[in-house]
Amino acid sequence: DGGITQSPKYLFRKEGQNVTLSCEQNLNHDAMYWYRQDPGQGLRLIYYSQIVNDFQKGDIAEGYSVSREKKESFPLTVTSAQKNPTAFYLCASSPRGLAEPTDTQYFGPGTRLTVL
Amino acid sequence: GNSVTQMEGPVTLSEEAFLTINCTYTATGYPSLFWYVQYPGEGLQLLLKATKADDKGSNKGFEATYRKETTSFHLEKGSVQVSDSAVYFCALRPYGNNRLAFGKGNQVVVIP
Repeated sequence: DGGITQSPKYLFRKEGQNVTLSCEQNLNHDAMYWYRQDPGQGLRLIYYSQIVNDFQKGDIAEGYSVSREKKESFPLTVTSAQKNPTAFYLCASSPRGLAEPTDTQYFGPGTRLTVL
Repeated sequence: GNSVTQMEGPVTLSEEAFLTINCTYTATGYPSLFWYVQYPGEGLQLLLKATKADDKGSNKGFEATYRKETTSFHLEKGSVQVSDSAVYFCALRPYGNNRLAFGKGNQVVVIP
């Protein structure tokens, strides 16, 4: 089955620790994205990547870092510099990214991070 | 800038009722428009989309028409079921830019 997997579904960390969220896709999509969702809010873009070894900051990149060493993987690290990290994190991918003006994003199941 | 506005507050209705969720947008150029649905504890699923003016997206009994003159993309379903209970997000993708802008979402609760 093709799709986007995020692991783990629930993650707990102590304040001051870095934590890395996994996102893998086997859809052969070029572009990948990370969003943050807070209760009662829409999604906000953290980082996105058009191709391997390239990524761009989104609207709320402070306190986060990413890497894109493989086409199918786009891990997100939540660092201790992120002031309010507790949230639901969603990864997405799209077939062509900027190369296709009407490209569509597809989402993974999400990881709920709670910082204690 | 690019933004999406959804009507305030949750929507509660009875099974088999007609559902409308309003969505209006502000964008330069010709964006693509999307409706996503989120079931409790899950990620977003693409429900339908429209990529140009007057296009109608449809899926699972839901429909939305891209109205450029009113900058709207309202979601409708003629007869809802309990299983349609979820949060619905309207989103736009500016032409040539893959940064989605989301509305805040509407919680829909369908009562048997």
